[in-house]
Amino acid sequence: AQKVTQAQTEISVVEKEDVTLDCVYETRDTTYYLFWYKQPPSGELVFLIRRNSFDEQNEISGRYSWNFQKSTSSFNFTITASQVVDSAVYFCALRETSGSRLTFGEGTQLTVNP
Amino acid sequence: NAGVTQTPKFRILKIGQSMTLQCAQDMNHNYMYWYRQDPGMGLKLIYYSVGAGITDKGEVPNGYNVSRSTTEDFPLRLELAAPSQTSVYFCASIPNRDRGPGAEQFFGPGTRLTVL
Repeated sequence: AQKVTQAQTEISVVEKEDVTLDCVYETRDTTYYLFWYKQPPSGELVFLIRRNSFDEQNEISGRYSWNFQKSTSSFNFTITASQVVDSAVYFCALRETSGSRLTFGEGTQLTVNP
Repeated sequence: NAGVTQTPKFRILKIGQSMTLQCAQDMNHNYMYWYRQDPGMGLKLIYYSVGAGITDKGEVPNGYNVSRSTTEDFPLRLELAAPSQTSVYFCASIPNRDRGPGAEQFFGPGTRLTVL
C-alpha cells in the first residue's frame, strides 16, 4: 500500500529564512508520481509541482525548489528567502501508476513571521 | 470555464439528518473524486468515478453514497449524519487528456460541514 509521511507537523520561521519541508513515501510500484500542494488559510488547494519516478532531476521555480531522491524515498521541498505569504499548510502526495488514488501526507503547517 | 464548483460552502446538520453535497465541473473531465479533510489532517479519498455510470470506493466510504449520472455532476450523499462526518469536503477532477497517474487534480473550493 502507498503511504506518505510528513514528519514535520509545524514549522515556524522568520521572514527571509530558508525552510525545507520533508516528505518520505512508501510504494511497491516502480513507477509513480509525486506532488506538492499548498493550502493557504483561505482553504483552497493549489497545485505546486508534479514529479515522476523516472525523473530524479531537481527542479527550481523561483524561490521554490524540490529535491527528489529515489534512494531514500524522499521528495523534499525548499522555500528560499521565505515570505509571510508562504504561510500555509503544504501537502505531499503520491499516486502509483497502478491506481487512480492520490494519497496525501498529513501536511506541514508553515508559519512565516515578519 | 468555472472549473470545479461545490455547493454549499458551509452547512450545519443535526445528527441523523441527510444532505447532498453538490460537485460540478464544466471541463468535460471523466475522472472525479471526493475527499474529506479533518482538522489538522491530510485528505482522505471517499469515492471516485472514472466516468458516467461508474463509481468506486476510496479509503473512507462508510456513511456516504455517490452517483454519476452525467459527466458534469458528482454528488455526495450523507444519509444519516454523524458527528464523525464533521469535516471539509473537497471535490476534484482530472483533465481527460492527462488522466494518467501524473495528472494534476483540479480541486473545488470545499464544503465545510458540521454535524451537531
